[in-house]
Amino acid sequence: AQSVSQHNHHVILSEAASLELGCNYSYGGTVNLFWYVQYPGQHLQLLLKYFSGDPLVKGIKGFEAEFIKSKFSFNLRKPSVQWSDTAEYFCAVTSNAGGTSYGKLTFGQGTILTVHP
Amino acid sequence: KAGVTQTPRYLIKTRGQQVTLSCSPISGHRSVSWYQQTPGQGLQFLFEYFSETQRNKGNFPGRFSGRQFSNSRSEMNVSTLELGDSALYLCASSSWGENTEAFFGQGTRLTVV
Repeated sequence: AQSVSQHNHHVILSEAASLELGCNYSYGGTVNLFWYVQYPGQHLQLLLKYFSGDPLVKGIKGFEAEFIKSKFSFNLRKPSVQWSDTAEYFCAVTSNAGGTSYGKLTFGQGTILTVHP
Repeated sequence: KAGVTQTPRYLIKTRGQQVTLSCSPISGHRSVSWYQQTPGQGLQFLFEYFSETQRNKGNFPGRFSGRQFSNSRSEMNVSTLELGDSALYLCASSSWGENTEAFFGQGTRLTVV
């Protein structure tokens, strides 16, 4: 079965610390990869996406992610976090494998990031 | 342009009742997907509609159903509500095709008592 795994349930950092959130997926076929963020009380927002091409993608608010095909990974990074980055982060994948369409997102369990001032 | 609009934002229903949730996608988007978000199970895919046809379905019982209208607006229905159906129901809209991204609405918070 297709699945997405996020390594950490809760990450606590101080402002200015570097961030890396792990994401691994198990999929056959071509994949599209996403990171979404959910700030407290707000809707899911897209941070960044990977469809093809350069495996290092840059998103909003200084976030970036690297797609490593051989490791089935798409880790999210930010060099220096801010208090305003406190939120829940979701890795998600779509694929055309198994006859599914690209409209079905499979999400990881989510990682809660708490940044202390 | 306007985002994805879901109504109502909050609902309280009694076990055994049924409920209908509505979603208006971003103008020009013809694909609508629905997700259930709970603390225990996370975000789970319910179904996807495109051109008024269900294209994909998640692993939910038949009590969960949906439909899409010719203007791309979508509704989902849950019949015979159970306590475990309490969740945030999210709608996402996108254009159809390979390299597309989904935009999410604020969700409908359903509480079953």
